[in-house]
Amino acid sequence: QQPVQSPQAVILREGEDAVINCSSSKALYSVHWYRQKHGEAPVFLMILLKGGEQKGHDKISASFNEKKQQSSLYLTASQLSYSGTYFCGTVSYGGSQGNLIFGKGTKLSVKP
Amino acid sequence: EAQVTQNPRYLITVTGKKLTVTCSQNMNHEYMSWYRQDPGLGLRQIYYSMNVEVTDKGDVPEGYKVSRKEKRNFPLILESPSPNQTSLYFCASSIRDGYGYTFGSGTRLTVV
Repeated sequence: QQPVQSPQAVILREGEDAVINCSSSKALYSVHWYRQKHGEAPVFLMILLKGGEQKGHDKISASFNEKKQQSSLYLTASQLSYSGTYFCGTVSYGGSQGNLIFGKGTKLSVKP
Repeated sequence: EAQVTQNPRYLITVTGKKLTVTCSQNMNHEYMSWYRQDPGLGLRQIYYSMNVEVTDKGDVPEGYKVSRKEKRNFPLILESPSPNQTSLYFCASSIRDGYGYTFGSGTRLTVV
C-alpha cells in the first residue's frame, strides 16, 4: 500500500515555510524523501531510520514518528529552487529492504 | 562520474513487439529497482533486486520481466507491450539497506 502524502499541492511565497506529511498503514523501518523537478529524475534528499529521529540539511529537515507511522518534511524560508514535487518512500518492517514504496507526491510551487 | 544510465531515453513502439530497456550503474550498488511514473499515481515499483540473481516483484509487475546476471546491469523486458504500458520509466540503485537511491534519467515509452 502506498503511503499517503498531504497536502497534494501547496503554493508558497519566497521565505514562507511548508510542511509535507507522509503517513503509512504499516509499521515502518525507514522513510525516504525525494524531490523531482519538472522533466527531471527524482533526487534523494534524506533517509530516516527507526528511532523518531530528525534529520536535515540546509533549511530542509524531516522527522519520523515510528509509533504513529508518520514522517514530516519541513521546508523553512523557502526559495524558488525548492519548487518541485516531493515524494516520500517507505520500507516496511518485516518486508524486503528493496521494496521501497512511494506516495503520490506533493507539488510545491514557490512564487517570488 | 557515478551514475545510473538508462537507454533509450525515448521509445515509440507497436503493440506486441518485444523490447528491452537497459539500466546500468557504475557505483557497485547492491540494490536496483524499476519504477513507472504516471500522472497522479506517483512512482510505482515494478521489480527490484537486492543482489545478483535475486529479484522480486514490486506493486505492478504484470507484463514485465527483469534479470540481474551482473551486479551493474538490471534490464527491464516487455515481452508483449500494450498501450497501458505507455509511461515514464525510471531505474534506480542504492548501495544497500539504509541508503538513498540514485535515479537514472528516465525512459519515456509510448506503445501504439
